[in-house]
Amino acid sequence: EAQVTQNPRYLITVTGKKLTVTCSQNMNHEYMSWYRQDPGLGLRQIYYSMNVEVTDKGDVPEGYKVSRKEKRNFPLILESPSPNQTSLYFCASSRVGGSEQFFGPGTRLTVL
Amino acid sequence: QKEVEQDPGPLSVPEGAIVSLNCTYSNSAFQYFMWYRQYSRKGPELLMYTYSSGNKEDGRFTAQVDKSSKYISLFIRDSQPSDSATYLCAYKETSGSRLTFGEGTQLTVNP
Repeated sequence: EAQVTQNPRYLITVTGKKLTVTCSQNMNHEYMSWYRQDPGLGLRQIYYSMNVEVTDKGDVPEGYKVSRKEKRNFPLILESPSPNQTSLYFCASSRVGGSEQFFGPGTRLTVL
Repeated sequence: QKEVEQDPGPLSVPEGAIVSLNCTYSNSAFQYFMWYRQYSRKGPELLMYTYSSGNKEDGRFTAQVDKSSKYISLFIRDSQPSDSATYLCAYKETSGSRLTFGEGTQLTVNP
C-alpha cells in the first residue's frame, strides 16, 4: 500500500528536550515536505526537500531542522522545543512538479 | 494581502443541501488549483484538481475556477454526512512542487 508514515502520532514533551519526528514514504517520491497546522493559520510549510541531500526552508523554518540522507526518509528535528511549537505536524511527499501531495496521518505535539 | 483567502466557516448544513466553498488568491503565477479534504485526525487527501478556468465535475463534486477574478469554488451536491470534513483549497505555480494552502473550511452535514 502506497503511504506516508509518521512517528510518533502523539507526543508530549517539555521545553528544551530535543526530539525527532520521523517520516517515511514508500512511493519513491523525490519531493518531501513538512507542514504545521494551527487553527486559523492553516497548513504552513516548514521545510522541504527536492531530493537526497537537497533541503530548503519553507515559510516557518525557525526552530526546526531536517535531513534527507535517504530518499524515503525525511525526519523533522526540534533541537530545543518551545511551547509555541505545540501544533499538528504533517509530512507529505510527491513527484517533483506533481500537484498531488500524499500526506501522513499527522503528529500532534505538545510542548509544556 | 494574503496570497490565499478562504471562507473560514465553520459551515453546518442539513443532509441533501448544496454546499459552496470558496477561495480567492492574489498570486498570478498560480496555475494549478486543487481541493483537499481532511477528515478529523487524518492527513489531507486530494479531492479535485484542475488547471483551467471553467467547471470540472466528479460525481457530486464540481470545482469551478475563474482565473480572471482569481476565484475558485467547490460545490457539493446532495451533501451527505460522510462529506463532513475540513476542505482546503490549494494552489501551485507552473514550475516547482510547492503547494500554497488556504486556511480550510470545516463542514458539518447533519443527518
